[in-house]
Amino acid sequence: QSVLTQPPSASGTPGQRVTISCSGSSSNIGSNTVNWYQQLPGTAPKLLIYSNNQRPSGVPDRFSGSKSGTSASLAISGLQSEDEADYYCAAWDDSLNNYVFGTGTKVTVL
Amino acid sequence: QVQLVESGGGVVQPGRSLRLSCAASGFTFSTYGMHWVRQAPGKGLEWVALIWNDGSNKYYADSVKGRFTISRDNSKNTLYLQMNSLRAEDTAVYYCARSRLWGGSAQPDYWGQGTLVTVSS
Repeated sequence: QSVLTQPPSASGTPGQRVTISCSGSSSNIGSNTVNWYQQLPGTAPKLLIYSNNQRPSGVPDRFSGSKSGTSASLAISGLQSEDEADYYCAAWDDSLNNYVFGTGTKVTVL
Repeated sequence: QVQLVESGGGVVQPGRSLRLSCAASGFTFSTYGMHWVRQAPGKGLEWVALIWNDGSNKYYADSVKGRFTISRDNSKNTLYLQMNSLRAEDTAVYYCARSRLWGGSAQPDYWGQGTLVTVSS
């Protein structure tokens, strides 16, 4: 049972901008930084965004993250076919003393 | 480059035990915490456990507390997950992941390719 809520799906045509939301609470997103992970079909998750809005080396600047209060969001601009994947937000939860993941969002490129 | 290779998965009967291993290379293993994360078939990611770099602190998801034990051998650059009293709902791909401290909290960065555990009679 995920404590971070994401929309189950999002879609767009090539070149469009897609935004994914992640809703949490004061004990997780409200208190700690947020990461985003990308999971391509049949592969392991890969870190996409860390510390709310930082991109690891090699991640295109088409991906951006933001956080406000107890919510976070991931934006993909200039959507490409290779962006078709599942995306998960995540944060440490101080009440549970657990790392919690979002419910996941499947992005489809139309 | 950072490499994490899990092993030890397989088919096991309910109530039995299994030990997973994660061999680490490409970084100084003893200076990083490590996580286990699992993913049931067709489902989302579920965090399982975290161990600090020196093994002094361990944290578990409620779903596995009392049944699973995370441990490490820094001399062998290896992380372990001992899974006892396995249930059908433990069926999943198990990933190990390196932990980084961002904003004061331990969060996974690099992930292994995963090992499948199937609990079935």
